[in-house]
Amino acid sequence: KAGVTQTPRYLIKTRGQQVTLSCSPISGHRSVSWYQQTPGQGLQFLFEYFSETQRNKGNFPGRFSGRQFSNSRSEMNVSTLELGDSALYLCASSREGQPHGSGANVLTFGAGSRLTVL
Amino acid sequence: QQQVKQSPQSLIVQKGGISIINCAYENTAFDYFPWYQQFPGKGPALLIAIRPDVSEKKEGRFTISFNKSAKQFSLHIMDSQPGDSATYFCAATPADRGSTLGRLYFGRGTQLTVWP
Repeated sequence: KAGVTQTPRYLIKTRGQQVTLSCSPISGHRSVSWYQQTPGQGLQFLFEYFSETQRNKGNFPGRFSGRQFSNSRSEMNVSTLELGDSALYLCASSREGQPHGSGANVLTFGAGSRLTVL
Repeated sequence: QQQVKQSPQSLIVQKGGISIINCAYENTAFDYFPWYQQFPGKGPALLIAIRPDVSEKKEGRFTISFNKSAKQFSLHIMDSQPGDSATYFCAATPADRGSTLGRLYFGRGTQLTVWP
């Protein structure tokens, strides 16, 4: 069973540019969440999508946006990149509709996209 | 504001020893507490999780202890092995039956090194 796939794995951008990251969830998973991981702040929630709708959003500026397609694949975009946006961006998928802790509704992470802003 | 506080930041344990990582939270709405393990170059992977209706959960060498009144929970790794060397994150999420676990509140992580 294929896991969560994120592309690209590594990328380097310069300040002011924009970047788009892609995430393919596990087959059958309809929820996709995005997290930013940095040494200083740890894992910070960006947003969550389900059925092409953003259901939850973390405390990040509007430069961070995302979307989900009808096949559950998701993209996130960061515009006007800043040095502080350098991070590992993680995508996670889960199945919908199961109670917490049931074992069926587990958040599964991809390996991440490592963004370096110069 | 960090909703889940984790300690220690780093931990060095000898092979065969016990590794203990502690977490504390304030939000009483949290009702699911997973632990994730992350190796370099990989995303976090679910290790073990607990709900507050039990005080302890054991899976192999990994045990979660949960103290609801103190709003604290901890991960114990028995007979620690060099292969356990990784970063461990505790997390919590609020009660919301029927919804996903999309939003987790993570601790800052503990880097565990197990010496052979």
